[in-house]
Amino acid sequence: DQQVKQNSPSLSVQEGRISILNCDYTNSMFDYFLWYKKYPAEGPTFLISISSIKDKNEDGRFTVFLNKSAKHLSLHIVPSQPGDSAVYFCAAIPANAGGTSYGKLTFGQGTILTVHP
Amino acid sequence: ETGVTQTPRHLVMGMTNKKSLKCEQHLGHNAMYWYKQSAKKPLELMFVYNFKEQTENNSVPSRFSPECPNSSHLFLHLHTLQPEDSALYLCASSNAGRSNTEAFFGQGTRLTVV
Repeated sequence: DQQVKQNSPSLSVQEGRISILNCDYTNSMFDYFLWYKKYPAEGPTFLISISSIKDKNEDGRFTVFLNKSAKHLSLHIVPSQPGDSAVYFCAAIPANAGGTSYGKLTFGQGTILTVHP
Repeated sequence: ETGVTQTPRHLVMGMTNKKSLKCEQHLGHNAMYWYKQSAKKPLELMFVYNFKEQTENNSVPSRFSPECPNSSHLFLHLHTLQPEDSALYLCASSNAGRSNTEAFFGQGTRLTVV
């Protein structure tokens, strides 16, 4: 049973437009959410995170929105750039998971984002 | 070197072979992790080490044997693997405790079992 789901395997966007990547979760114990980005032949790199006490977190072109009642989060990238083309993973951490919780991630399957020039 | 480094990057092994994957982190973190990513599946946590002690084993078969001699190094010893164990194996590290940090990942080892 997959607890974190990214239902869109791929997304194609024109440069300069907004990219919206979606993620749903089923475990109500999750209270910290992260987005990782992965280029081919590289490991995932941390992009942005949000705690369950917030509904929005912004960092430059990247904004993550959290809707706890719907158990849904999304990553907005605006404006999208060709260099943003990568696989984006949504991940979640449960509350009270202990000190190593930040490494004990439950991941979604990933969404391949392609930004066309 | 900086970050999290994994060697080898690619490995092909027979089902009767014994091999080891190595991970080294230069970030001063105290927790290290092994993840597995099989084709078309999400990354799955395998093992967690905190201050060199294994704190979690997510029902991983005994043909995978982790070793953490110190907080900077993590190994995954492999023996009598099956073809279905072919996957990308990722190491990660983080700071666990007073100043938690997000996990940093290595580039992974692409393992093929023939």
